[in-house]
Amino acid sequence: GAGVSQTPSNKVTEKGKYVELRCDPISGHTALYWYRQSLGQGPEFLIYFQGTGAADDSGLPNDRFFAVRPEGSVSTLKIQRTERGDSAVYLCASSLTYQETQYFGPGTRLLVL
Amino acid sequence: AQTVTQSQPEMSVQEAETVTLSCTYDTSESDYYLFWYKQPPSRQMILVIRQEAYKQQNATENRFSVNFQKAAKSFSLKISDSQLGDAAMYFCAYRRPSGSRLTFGEGTQLTVNP
Repeated sequence: GAGVSQTPSNKVTEKGKYVELRCDPISGHTALYWYRQSLGQGPEFLIYFQGTGAADDSGLPNDRFFAVRPEGSVSTLKIQRTERGDSAVYLCASSLTYQETQYFGPGTRLLVL
Repeated sequence: AQTVTQSQPEMSVQEAETVTLSCTYDTSESDYYLFWYKQPPSRQMILVIRQEAYKQQNATENRFSVNFQKAAKSFSLKISDSQLGDAAMYFCAYRRPSGSRLTFGEGTQLTVNP
C-alpha cells in the first residue's frame, strides 16, 4: 500500500515569509507526528495528533509554528514569519495507533534564505 | 527526560563483514520500546528493528540483530554480512510505553566498502 507522502519535497523561501508543509499519512492510521531534523542531527519531536486533535504539541519551538489535521487524515504544518534557523528537514510519520510503530515519509527540506 | 546517545558518529565495514553500532539511553522507566531506524540519502526513515524492554530475548530481523542490555541501558545493533545497500545513517530511538514521541540519538553514518 501507499506509504506516508509529503509535499513539497523541497521548499525555498525568504526570511519572513509564510510556508505550509503537507503530510498525507498511511490510510487508516489514526496517529500522526511531525519531527524536525536539523543538519547532522537526529529528528526532534514537534507535535502529535490523535485523530483531529493535537494530543501533544510540547515540541513546537514557538508560536510561529502551528499544525492542523482537520479531518483526521492529511495534516499541514504552518510556519509564520520564517527565520533562517527554521531551515531543516521536516519529517512526518504515522502509526495505526499511538502505541504502534511509526512509519515516516520522505520529508520536506525547507531552506529559508 | 529521556536521552539517547550514539557515541560513534561514523563507522565503516567491508562488504560481507559484520559491524556493531552502539547506543545507550537514559530513562527512569521500567518499560519502554527501543528502535533502530535507517536513513539513506533519500531521507526516508526506515524501521530496521524494534525491541520491547520487557522482553528478555534480543530481537532479530534477518541480518540485523540487537544486543539489549537493560541494566546497562545499552542497545547495540549488529549487521551481519554487510551489503552495499546497508550504507546509510542509523538512528537509535526510544519511546515510552504510554507516550507517543520518539526520542532519537545523533546518528551513526555507516559506510560499506566493496
